[in-house]
Amino acid sequence: QKEVEQDPGPLSVPEGAIVSLNCTYSNSAFQYFMWYRQYSRKGPELLMYTYSSGNKEDGRFTAQVDKSSKYISLFIRDSQPSDSATYLCATSNDYKLSFGAGTTVTVRA
Amino acid sequence: EPEVTQTPSHQVTQMGQEVILRCVPISNHLYFYWYRQILGQKVEFLVSFYNNEISEKSEIFDDQFSVERPDGSNFTLKIRSTKLEDSAMYFCASSEDRYNQPQHFGDGTRLSIL
Repeated sequence: QKEVEQDPGPLSVPEGAIVSLNCTYSNSAFQYFMWYRQYSRKGPELLMYTYSSGNKEDGRFTAQVDKSSKYISLFIRDSQPSDSATYLCATSNDYKLSFGAGTTVTVRA
Repeated sequence: EPEVTQTPSHQVTQMGQEVILRCVPISNHLYFYWYRQILGQKVEFLVSFYNNEISEKSEIFDDQFSVERPDGSNFTLKIRSTKLEDSAMYFCASSEDRYNQPQHFGDGTRLSIL
């Protein structure tokens, strides 16, 4: 079983829509949960970081963690064309980050 | 905002040659990492480094690979005898602490083995 599963998409939404991204993980020892954004030919850029179940909000971004079902989500409100990128979920319990495959999102103007 | 910088951005090397990828982590960070991403695949952990020694490594990180912090600012990944399957993006990352501190990534070095 893969450690982190993420639907690779692609996902295409109109500008202003809510983008909903999801991952599941298998290892209940994972304690830290991250969302990274990756533009083409660039490195992963940290968007959200959390270590507890529940919601964390930062501007237009909301990260949600449900440890009981091993499910993590990212919501992007009022999406913009500049949000077009690949979004990577990642989890860890120590040094090593385990990444999902990434979901490619296109926001259409 | 402080950032992780990597050089070169693209390295082309003949199979069997040695290659060194360089990284300058964020200055107050103490933990350093290398990851790789083969085209179309997930980002994969290679190695973590703290206090001048390897703290964890994956099964990918075999004897062909080594890491070093040669001075107070650089962190390097060496591949001794490159293979075609080493072609990938290599990302350096750093974090302030081991626990409860996120890892920040550089923009990567694209390694092409011919």
